[in-house]
Amino acid sequence: QSALTQPRSVSGSPGQSVTISCTGTSSDVGGFNYVSWYQQHPGKAPKLMIYDVTMRPSGVPDRFSGSKSGNTASLTISGLQAEDEADYYCCSYAGSFTLVFGGGTKLTVL
Amino acid sequence: EVQLVESGGGLVQPGGSLRLSCAASGFIFTSSWMTWVRQAPGKGLEWVANIKEDGSEKFYVDSVKGRFTISRDNAKNSLYLQMNSLRAEDTAVYYCARDLRFFNYWGQGTLVTVSS
Repeated sequence: QSALTQPRSVSGSPGQSVTISCTGTSSDVGGFNYVSWYQQHPGKAPKLMIYDVTMRPSGVPDRFSGSKSGNTASLTISGLQAEDEADYYCCSYAGSFTLVFGGGTKLTVL
Repeated sequence: EVQLVESGGGLVQPGGSLRLSCAASGFIFTSSWMTWVRQAPGKGLEWVANIKEDGSEKFYVDSVKGRFTISRDNAKNSLYLQMNSLRAEDTAVYYCARDLRFFNYWGQGTLVTVSS
């Protein structure tokens, strides 16, 4: 049950694209297509942005997209906006009905 | 509208106990896995435990096994987390969330502080 590895921080200018990586193992990210991504603003509960690697819940802008290759999942945010500045967490199913989160990435919009 | 409302947090001494509750509404509680996730101050999210729809299966992160017990009362649409032998490292905001593989619905969280 080791945490998934995310970069501590990423940044981008408005209108640009950024990608946040999430690296696990064959026992979690690589073994299942059950990766989800959450956005969290300070003092708020997390918000689901992507589930099942690539699926977007209703109401989430299509600027947010997810992908996976091997043991690494990625969240890409295109057309960066000021309100995208937040912490982002990946999460993966890890088998036996357990889950594991990433350490989180702080996105700064310059 | 789906609502999850946690309660029961507070200040407790190391070695003490606390019981968190989560009141659910706006969805069919008896058809949903439920989960507890915590977040230590200034830290990331950590999956803590989950429970099957009928309460027959429960799963925990290694760090709380033997100390925490997740349970539910489907008649009251309520989820619980009994926390015993609390340690300083259990200090966190505890969120309840709906479902098993991903969480589209979260409560607002309740703060548990373990300190002497």
